[in-house]
Amino acid sequence: KAGVTQTPRYLIKTRGQQVTLSCSPISGHRSVSWYQQTPGQGLQFLFEYFSETQRNKGNFPGRFSGRQFSNSRSEMNVSTLELGDSALYLCASTAVGTGGMNTEAFFGQGTRLTVV
Amino acid sequence: GENVGLHLPTLSVQEGDNSIINCAYSNSASDYFIWYKQESGKGPQFIIDIRSNMDKRQGQRVTVLLNKTVKHLSLQIAATQPGDSAVYFCAEKNSARQLTFGSGTQLTVLP
Repeated sequence: KAGVTQTPRYLIKTRGQQVTLSCSPISGHRSVSWYQQTPGQGLQFLFEYFSETQRNKGNFPGRFSGRQFSNSRSEMNVSTLELGDSALYLCASTAVGTGGMNTEAFFGQGTRLTVV
Repeated sequence: GENVGLHLPTLSVQEGDNSIINCAYSNSASDYFIWYKQESGKGPQFIIDIRSNMDKRQGQRVTVLLNKTVKHLSLQIAATQPGDSAVYFCAEKNSARQLTFGSGTQLTVLP
């Protein structure tokens, strides 16, 4: 089974630009979550998508958005980039267990975004 | 203001010794806990999980202990190997299915 695939691996953008990151979950996994990892704040939850609907959202400004497609692939978008958005953006896919029981989240390698 | 980097707790162990990594979690309503290993330049890798109705779970060379009374989680690695050197994160998941991560512990295995 292929793992979680994130593209691109590395990205350099200029302040004020916008960026779109992509995540393909493990086949059969319908839940996709996004996280931001920085040295200053650690791993922070951005949002979660399930069946094309956002069902959880972390404490990030509206510049951060996402969506999920019918094949469970997900994208996240950051508009009006700021220097502080430089981070490793991680995507995790989860198989929803019986009765909605929590199961493990599998992470991709991440996209390293640098804003200059 | 300038971001200050997280001061990661560090643990250094001799190769072949056992390692114990500790984690305090915050939400007494969390019902699912996971340990992840993250090597430089890679995403977090699942190691082992435990549900709140258990207090111990064993995997290959790893054991997770859960103490709900004091909201404490530990990861024990037996016969630590150089390949175990990494940052280890505990994560808790509540009924909202959101993972909250600890700050991580840097494990260094000495030859």
